[in-house]
Amino acid sequence: DTVLTQSPDSLTVSLGERATINCKSSQTIFYSSNSKNFLAWYQQKPGQPPKLLIYWASTRESGVPDRFSGSGSGTDFTLTISSLQAEDVAVYYCQQYFTTPWTFGQGTKVEIK
Amino acid sequence: QVQLQESGPGLVKPSQTLSLTCTVSGDSSTSDDYYWSWIRQSAGKGLEWIGRIHTRGSTNYNPSLKSRITMSVEMSNGHISLKLSSVTATDTAVYYCAREPRDTGGWYRGFDLWGQGALVTVSS
Repeated sequence: DTVLTQSPDSLTVSLGERATINCKSSQTIFYSSNSKNFLAWYQQKPGQPPKLLIYWASTRESGVPDRFSGSGSGTDFTLTISSLQAEDVAVYYCQQYFTTPWTFGQGTKVEIK
Repeated sequence: QVQLQESGPGLVKPSQTLSLTCTVSGDSSTSDDYYWSWIRQSAGKGLEWIGRIHTRGSTNYNPSLKSRITMSVEMSNGHISLKLSSVTATDTAVYYCAREPRDTGGWYRGFDLWGQGALVTVSS
């Protein structure tokens, strides 16, 4: 299975500051035939299902604020929240859909300082 | 607006079969080109993908669970079902169904729609 390792496990950031979450894959999830990285990012708030934020590593899902951005390629990826808002307190997960079984990172909890 | 809703018994005895149904509602589109996945979340193992079934019936299962899983789809009534046999306490989790859409390039691209989840506890 493709193992996704997120860092850090938790993050405390002041309102308006930048939050950065990393996701490292145990194998490449870049497909040269379509030049895409098969990686998604999700946000999960307590008592709710995960919500898709980013797919293809850097494409924002419709309706997602532009303070959320994704970057990276191959095995190393980053989710950035450019200016943290109170409503961004959540757990964030990366997920690969390159090779079954699809797998998720262990999650990063983001809190307000 | 399309919605997914999981339903089924909240308590299952060890060694029995867990059965859940995901109901798709509000879908007025004619597209049938989706995969429907089951994903579970437990405190001990985080998010775990169980498997998926295409609207037209093809499946992919997680090898770690494959021998115990059966998925089926009946889109005429908007139902996707999961059966997990021989359950143990480690199968206790919140079970989600989720949709994988196909993008304009022809590739499936992550889970864009999730149900609220169904808590299933395995206990005697």
